[in-house]
Amino acid sequence: GAGVSQSPSNKVTEKGKDVELRCDPISGHTALYWYRQSLGQGLEFLIYFQGNSAPDKSGLPSDRFSAERTGGSVSTLTIQRTQQEDSAVYLCASSIRRTRNTSYEQYFGPGTRLTVT
Amino acid sequence: KNEVEQSPQNLTAQEGEFITINCSYSVGISALHWLQQHPGGGIVSLFMLSSGKKKHGRLIATINIQEKHSSLHITASHPRDSAVYICAALLSGGGADGLTFGKGTHLIIQP
Repeated sequence: GAGVSQSPSNKVTEKGKDVELRCDPISGHTALYWYRQSLGQGLEFLIYFQGNSAPDKSGLPSDRFSAERTGGSVSTLTIQRTQQEDSAVYLCASSIRRTRNTSYEQYFGPGTRLTVT
Repeated sequence: KNEVEQSPQNLTAQEGEFITINCSYSVGISALHWLQQHPGGGIVSLFMLSSGKKKHGRLIATINIQEKHSSLHITASHPRDSAVYICAALLSGGGADGLTFGKGTHLIIQP
């Protein structure tokens, strides 16, 4: 079956513009995660959705970042007034579910490479 | 200090060698994941484990909960195993909702 898909695969934008990144999880997966991988840095967790709800948004780097998920499926990560330090690969992952102390295998999308000039 | 530490950071070996990558963590976890990232960026989940040992082909992952340590082994290594291997943990007890990652081990297998 289809895996996690993300669009666009690459995005070049000018500093100060808004960008929207999209993630289509595996069908039936209720948990969805956004991560970021900056050049030379490791992966960092941004936000998690269980269904349409994001219990904790504290992992988002600044208030310029927001995310939503509708219909328990597609999610969008929006970055307003982009800055050069936002340049990174943004990865989405999904898992069948998520409970407080149980981990399920996460399936990663190919990522969106964002370059802010 | 990062809650998940990996070693070595870089590893170059000859084809056929037995490879070990180590991961240690400093807090309680629900599970530990081993991920593989090839050039070009795609990430594949190799293992998820919370106790004991798992094996898939030439790959073996072990975890010692008491010592807060996990290892990823590759037997009969091959150039196609060249990739970045990432250890990641789901922290328990109210930690972050997503995975906490090690910085990765860049493995190169030379023919």
